[in-house]
Amino acid sequence: GAGVSQSPRYKVAKRGQDVALRCDPISGHVSLFWYQQALGQGPEFLTYFQNEAQLDKSGLPSDRFFAERPEGSVSTLKIQRTQQEDSAVYLCASSLGPGRDYGYTFGSGTRLTVV
Amino acid sequence: AQKITQTQPGMFVQEKEAVTLDCTYDTSDPSYGLFWYKQPSSGEMIFLIYQGSYDQQNATEGRYSLNFQKARKSANLVISASQLGDSAMYFCAMREGMNRDDKIIFGKGTRLHILP
Repeated sequence: GAGVSQSPRYKVAKRGQDVALRCDPISGHVSLFWYQQALGQGPEFLTYFQNEAQLDKSGLPSDRFFAERPEGSVSTLKIQRTQQEDSAVYLCASSLGPGRDYGYTFGSGTRLTVV
Repeated sequence: AQKITQTQPGMFVQEKEAVTLDCTYDTSDPSYGLFWYKQPSSGEMIFLIYQGSYDQQNATEGRYSLNFQKARKSANLVISASQLGDSAMYFCAMREGMNRDDKIIFGKGTRLHILP
């Protein structure tokens, strides 16, 4: 597609529920990133994929967070047993891959509210 | 320690005036890139401008310019002739290393309000 697509746009989950957030990167983009943006804050790095390989997951806040990209295109961020502190906007970004460039292309994000 | 510091949580500027958004950064890596992103209320992050640490000249993109002062570790964004559509959150960000796949670290942002 023309841009990075994320779904759902909004998600309300009851505390303890599992959620799955989807990211559809720009076609042909090798690299994919997930960020978490709490209200009033800048985005915080969660994890990075190069094709289907998860090369950096240092930003995942707990083992309740899990991300996958099995075929090297669409990625899913899963949060198990959601907690109120998980409420945030989850941003996905993609780029062409290793090599010098000027930045990534971001999606519009999924706003997760845990009640 | 904060890698990216934006000291202005909010700014109000009259339409058509120029505005400077402050950003300082902290790194010991000689190779790095600096970015500014705009985030309107719709939520998407829009790339505005990039400056590499080895670039000799300040970056410019249309009405946006980056005032890069390497010795002071400062990378302020200047928007000339501000417009109502410039009202948004603005994030300064840094990537340590020059590879596209090094992660980008963001500041806390500045909310810019353009007044008619």
